[in-house]
Order: sequence, then C-alpha cells, then structure tokens
Amino acid sequence: QVQLQESGPGLVKPSQTLSLTCTVSGGSISSGSYYWSWIRQPAGEGLEWIGRIYSSGSTNYNPSLKSRVTTSVDTSKNQFSLKLSSVTAADTAVYYCTRGRMIAGTNDAFDIWGQGTMVTVSS
Amino acid sequence: DIVMTQSPDSLAVSLGERATINCKSSRSVLYSSNNKNYLAWYQQKPGQPPKLLIYWASTRESGVPDRFSGSGSGTDFTLTISSLQAEDVAVYYCQQYYTTIFTFGPGTKVDVK
Repeated sequence: QVQLQESGPGLVKPSQTLSLTCTVSGGSISSGSYYWSWIRQPAGEGLEWIGRIYSSGSTNYNPSLKSRVTTSVDTSKNQFSLKLSSVTAADTAVYYCTRGRMIAGTNDAFDIWGQGTMVTVSS
Repeated sequence: DIVMTQSPDSLAVSLGERATINCKSSRSVLYSSNNKNYLAWYQQKPGQPPKLLIYWASTRESGVPDRFSGSGSGTDFTLTISSLQAEDVAVYYCQQYYTTIFTFGPGTKVDVK
C-alpha cells in the first residue's frame, strides 16, 4: 500500500522560500510507471497543479508558477521535494503531494494523494 | 491551457436519488490515436485529500462503488451518482490530463436535500 506524506514548515514569511518534502512509503519512487506531482488548494477554493517530476529528474511546471518553482527527487530516500520562492499571502494553501500514473507512455490520473500540509505565508 | 468548467456549482439531492454533475473542457481531451478521453473525476470530503473515482472519463477506479459512473467524450462529460448515499456528500472535481499543464474544474458541491 503506497502512501505519501508531506513535511515542512507550516509558516513561511513573505518573500522567503517555501520548502516541502514528500516521503513515499510502501513502494519505490523509481518506478517508471509513475510521476510525482505537487498540487495546492487555498482554503475553500479549488485545486491548482504546481508541477511534476519523474524519478529521472525530468520536470514540468505550471506556467503560472514556473519562475518560482523548483522540484527535485532523491531516489535514495524515496522522497521528492518542492521549493517555491518569493512567496506571498496568495501562496497560503494546503499543499498535496500526489502520484500520477503513466500508461503506455502517456499521462493518467492522480491515484494516490498525501493528506496535505497547510502552509501559511505571514510575517 | 485547457480550461475546465463544471455545472452546477452545487446541488442537493434526496437520499437514493440521482445526482448528475457536468464538466466541460475548453478543447477536446480525446486523444485520437488511442480513442481515450484524458479526463478524471475526484471526490473530496471535508478535511480530506481528493480521491480518484473515475479515469479515462468512464473507468471506475478499483474499490469505487458502481453507483458512480462517468460518461462523455471530447469536451463534454458527466459524473452520475445513481443513488445518492449520505457518505457521498462531498465536492466533486473533474480534471484533464490531456496536456501536461494539468487543470481542474472549480468543483461541484453535493449535499443531501
């Protein structure tokens, strides 16, 4: 049973960098059948995809956040990470790490989600 | 980007009755080479992460009750709950994965009347 768990500071100051890590348990992050994504959800609002990374390190980002986002993967620790720079109050949200499936080399849906971690941007 | 819209914003249905949620994409998410619609549906209950219900527009994820069904093709899709149960109260989101810039609909809240 694969599980994902987000970790990181719950409070970040404006203009600083938000850093989160997702630990994958019960399965290997190195499987080529999956990609690993970050998705966020402001309180009472909808879902916004931030970006994804493959175990190879290849990435794709939402253009609206691309200039501020960096993701990385550490296969030895079975973890992947998110860094979002120059944060403002608009970045306050629950951040989810997710697993997306790949089938026959094409995208499939997000089948496993972490419980989410609330990050507040405030001085 | 592909923009996803949903209707209605919310609906209230009596227990045992049918609930229908619509989702529309700004352009087709049907991939012609494999005839698959790159469209998923998720259920989110308060305080929980979203849960995958349907992928490829109409394929139920393992363990999802068969009262949930998805239909549609191209740009217009529907999620149907055939007989609403109390545990189905949630917000439902559609999502396209046709393009790498994944996008979600704004969500439809389903309540019991």
